[in-house]
Amino acid sequence: QQQVKQSPQSLIVQKGGISIINCAYENTAFDYFPWYQQFPGKGPALLIAIRPDVSEKKEGRFTISFNKSAKQFSLHIMDSQPGDSATYFCAASMPYSGGGADGLTFGKGTHLIIQP
Amino acid sequence: NAGVTQTPKFQVLKTGQSMTLQCAQDMNHEYMSWYRQDPGMGLRLIHYSVGAGITDQGEVPNGYNVSRSTTEDFPLRLLSAAPSQTSVYFCASSYKLRTGSETGELFFGEGSRLTVL
Repeated sequence: QQQVKQSPQSLIVQKGGISIINCAYENTAFDYFPWYQQFPGKGPALLIAIRPDVSEKKEGRFTISFNKSAKQFSLHIMDSQPGDSATYFCAASMPYSGGGADGLTFGKGTHLIIQP
Repeated sequence: NAGVTQTPKFQVLKTGQSMTLQCAQDMNHEYMSWYRQDPGMGLRLIHYSVGAGITDQGEVPNGYNVSRSTTEDFPLRLLSAAPSQTSVYFCASSYKLRTGSETGELFFGEGSRLTVL
């Protein structure tokens, strides 16, 4: 059972455009929603994260929008640049409960290409 | 700081061979984990550890063993490699496992690409 559904699987955006990646979750116990960015040949790295007590968080050109009632959150990349080309993973986390999992669930990733 | 260091970066095995993927972190993190990344499957948790001497299974533990004898090291062992274990493996660490309202950033290594023929 996939607890975090991410879409689209791949995305091509022109330079200067807005890139939008969406995620949906089912488990209302999730209380922390990070996005990780992965460049080819590298490991993922934390990009930006949000808690459900706010509806939006912005860091530079990157914004997370959060809709608690719809159980959805999205990453917006404004003025997308070729250097933003990477794979993006949404994730959801809850406090560890000792139930045999580490509390962090990843989406399946979005391969983003920004065309010059 | 080196962060999370994985070795080797590339490895080719024959079916049935054994090997160990090494992972070391120099950030004094309590929590360490191993993920595998496959096309279209995202990151799947194999095993994790909340401290020296403590390990637990993740989503896809079959065919893999781990141990945590020190805070710094968390090796992943493949006892009898199978073609289905062809993947990119990532080790990750965090200051501690979330047990409350605090948040924990995961720091990943650069990955080990394994091919099993």
